[in-house]
Amino acid sequence: SQTIHQWPATLVQPVGSPLSLECTVEGTSNPNLYWYRQAAGRGLQLLFYSVGIGQISSEVPQNLSASRPQDRQFILSSKKLLLSDSGFYLCAWSGLVDRGRPMSYNEQFFGPGTRLTVL
Amino acid sequence: EDKVVQSPLSLVVHEGDTVTLNCSYEVTNFRSLLWYKQEKKAPTFLFMLTSSGIEKKSGRLSSILDKKELFSILNITATQTGDSAIYLCAVRVSGNTPLVFGKGTRLSVIA
Repeated sequence: SQTIHQWPATLVQPVGSPLSLECTVEGTSNPNLYWYRQAAGRGLQLLFYSVGIGQISSEVPQNLSASRPQDRQFILSSKKLLLSDSGFYLCAWSGLVDRGRPMSYNEQFFGPGTRLTVL
Repeated sequence: EDKVVQSPLSLVVHEGDTVTLNCSYEVTNFRSLLWYKQEKKAPTFLFMLTSSGIEKKSGRLSSILDKKELFSILNITATQTGDSAIYLCAVRVSGNTPLVFGKGTRLSVIA
């Protein structure tokens, strides 16, 4: 079975400090990987997605960056955090799943999330 | 630009009520529509709909897709306080692209 890990679960950082959030997926290969941010319990804002190692698509211009150094590892970074970076960060993956039906990339599965507070 | 719109944005009901959540979409090359439930942490998958007019059902939750009118509804009957959550609708378009999410409906069920 497939699992997705994300850490840390919570983080409090001062303005101007760096950030590194990590996400790893187990039990699948060549997944699509995604970083989302959710503010104030509302909808999901897609930040980055990756369809392969070293391939990153950025959806929103900002002071965040993402990297995919390995097939099942996705990292979200910032050199200097802003107050507006506070939020709930979710990593997700989609890929080949087998539940007794044809495999597809349709579904997307989420990690447990990181709640970031920038003070 | 692909767009998914959910309504209402928030809803407060009493236990036992039936609720209907709406999701309309305007996308190119529709492939599937997905519903997620988000309580305190990560969204959890509820349904995936690809064919028009076929109801998906799981306990008190059910959902149906209308590909002609470009919308889906999620019904919850006999609501319970445990149904309180944000319900997210998302659409998959063709190609290797991310899901397009709506802003969600925040449902609060009070005893």
